[in-house]
Amino acid sequence: ETGVTQSPTHLIKTRGQQVTLRCSSQSGHNTVSWYQQALGQGPQFIFQYYREEENGRGNFPPRFSGLQFPNYSSELNVNALELDDSALYLCASSLQSRRNTIYFGEGSWLTVV
Amino acid sequence: DQQVKQNSPSLSVQEGRISILNCDYTNSMFDYFLWYKKYPAEGPTFLISISSIKDKNEDGRFTVFLNKSAKHLSLHIVPSQPGDSAVYFCAASAGSAGTASKLTFGTGTRLQVTL
Repeated sequence: ETGVTQSPTHLIKTRGQQVTLRCSSQSGHNTVSWYQQALGQGPQFIFQYYREEENGRGNFPPRFSGLQFPNYSSELNVNALELDDSALYLCASSLQSRRNTIYFGEGSWLTVV
Repeated sequence: DQQVKQNSPSLSVQEGRISILNCDYTNSMFDYFLWYKKYPAEGPTFLISISSIKDKNEDGRFTVFLNKSAKHLSLHIVPSQPGDSAVYFCAASAGSAGTASKLTFGTGTRLQVTL
């Protein structure tokens, strides 16, 4: 039990649609990161939010965007979905000051058809 | 460009024996390393970590060794138990306060512990 919860757990979208995934961070954690894990691969860093501002971004296009709210919950939005966006999306919460406090949620499985 | 590599996609070990999972990295800026364990349909679970100022860190049955000159780390599990069967990911991060929790992952090694 990591204290990080994600919703929805599974969803199916059509190419071209938009999707919003949600994450509730562990209490007290001020940093949230999002990762994409394609089948057979390791998680790939999408971006990170610290105190409601984007604080680092991986190699993902601008149609991947996010928000962090004052209560440290977070959203990942993906516009103009493509088939290759089908993956497990993982949210991780952490404390900026402590590098061994990165805890993951169980993920949201997105299938784009 | 795969900066963190786990070259063994799978490993099978008998219960009670030692499991050794390996990881190599190429980015000299990495200074903190973590191992995660992942069961199907669950998120990665933190196992153990090591800072680059150390060469060994131990936590119960789990020990991580870091060889900075070779840019290599390994996770030892002794003794291996059937419940250890999972996918193990090596992850690395580089220094500053703003980026310390941005992790670069390997592709994982599936460990199967047999009876």
